[in-house]
Amino acid sequence: EVELVESGGGLVQPGGSLRLSCVDSGFNFNSHWMNWVRQTPGRGLEWVATIKQDGNEKYYVDSAKGRFTISRDNAKSSLYLQMNNLRAEDTAVYYCTRGGIIVPGGAVDWGQGTLVTVSS
Amino acid sequence: EIVLTQSPATLSLSPGERATLSCGASQNINSKYLAWYQQKPGLAPRLLIYDISSRATGVPDRFSGSGSGTDFTLTINRLEPEDFAVYYCQRYGTSPPYTFGQGTKVEIK
Repeated sequence: EVELVESGGGLVQPGGSLRLSCVDSGFNFNSHWMNWVRQTPGRGLEWVATIKQDGNEKYYVDSAKGRFTISRDNAKSSLYLQMNNLRAEDTAVYYCTRGGIIVPGGAVDWGQGTLVTVSS
Repeated sequence: EIVLTQSPATLSLSPGERATLSCGASQNINSKYLAWYQQKPGLAPRLLIYDISSRATGVPDRFSGSGSGTDFTLTINRLEPEDFAVYYCQRYGTSPPYTFGQGTKVEIK
């Protein structure tokens, strides 16, 4: 069974930084696209970022461009999201999701989520 | 950016009834890459349908997806008590952003 476990969430002040991590205990991490998706009560589910198997293609929602960086370490079966210059509107539960093999953006498996709160 | 609009926002039905959920795209998505997810309170979403009509592993056959272009439907035949949840559609696969719809809540009448 695929298990994705996120960590790194917490309370941070506006303008601060946070790095989210996700460890994939399933098989063939390096065969799958990976994503970050966030959820807020007011805005529902929002796709945030996607990274290709080899890390050479990355896509971001407009609001994350220039502030967030998605990365992965296939040797550690780990996915990361470096978030800088955080804003109140970035407050959400962040989910690590395992995508498909061929195309980006879909979310086959989900972690349990980690809460990020941006507040002074 | 393609916007996905789900309707209705809330669907009130009884167990055993059929649920029909709609997902409309602001532009033709020109692909088969449309997914549906189910989310229960306090839990992460779960993939139900991918590629418009393919059921994910372990999803009962009372769930079915259909549609093309700009109009997509998730049908749940004979609602079971565990089916009362929130359902989201999402486009993926072609150019980002990989937007989600705002969700439809299926509640017990």
